[in-house]
Amino acid sequence: NAGVTQTPKFRVLKTGQSMTLLCAQDMNHEYMYWYRQDPGMGLRLIHYSVGEGTTAKGEVPDGYNVSRLKKQNFLLGLESAAPSQTSVYFCASGINYEQYFGPGTRLTVT
Amino acid sequence: GQSLEQPSEVTAVEGAIVQINCTYQTSGFYGLSWYQQHDGGAPTFLSYNALDGLEETGRFSSFLSRSDSYGYLLLQELQMKDSASYFCVWREGGKLIFGQGTELSVKP
Repeated sequence: NAGVTQTPKFRVLKTGQSMTLLCAQDMNHEYMYWYRQDPGMGLRLIHYSVGEGTTAKGEVPDGYNVSRLKKQNFLLGLESAAPSQTSVYFCASGINYEQYFGPGTRLTVT
Repeated sequence: GQSLEQPSEVTAVEGAIVQINCTYQTSGFYGLSWYQQHDGGAPTFLSYNALDGLEETGRFSSFLSRSDSYGYLLLQELQMKDSASYFCVWREGGKLIFGQGTELSVKP
């Protein structure tokens, strides 16, 4: 089992550009999550999904959109990237208190 | 408001015991988890307490007192590989809310 995978691992964007981050899990989990982590900080929840076709806002949803068209995939979109969105993005899947995280995507917006 | 408070840094020596405390203030409470993260890598799940008391998993134990809104993670027989960040995490329904993290440095 691959667990949770994220694509890409690194990306540099210019302000105003858009991009999509892909997360895939092979554990048949209903719940999937997108977090961001800034230097020296904990993880902050952006959006999450409790099942195929459903999404919900987390703590910091502004500037991001998500889609869960298939149970195993959860996509995070940045509509118009801003320097404040420079961060490490983690995807996770799981059940309640136990979540499994992907390796992260390091995004820099210049 | 909702908050999780934990120390930002802790230092200990190899072979020792260290306790990382977490106090919380939340409108609802479903349980307290602990996650470990090495050098910005993927966080990994360590333990979970839904009820008061101690949960033990090998060298790691976690404790919860709901009346005191307090929990801690206890690491015994510290090893160099335990140097990492440790997060207390509050569960609200299907969401996890992370604390700021405690950076543990283990010295020889």
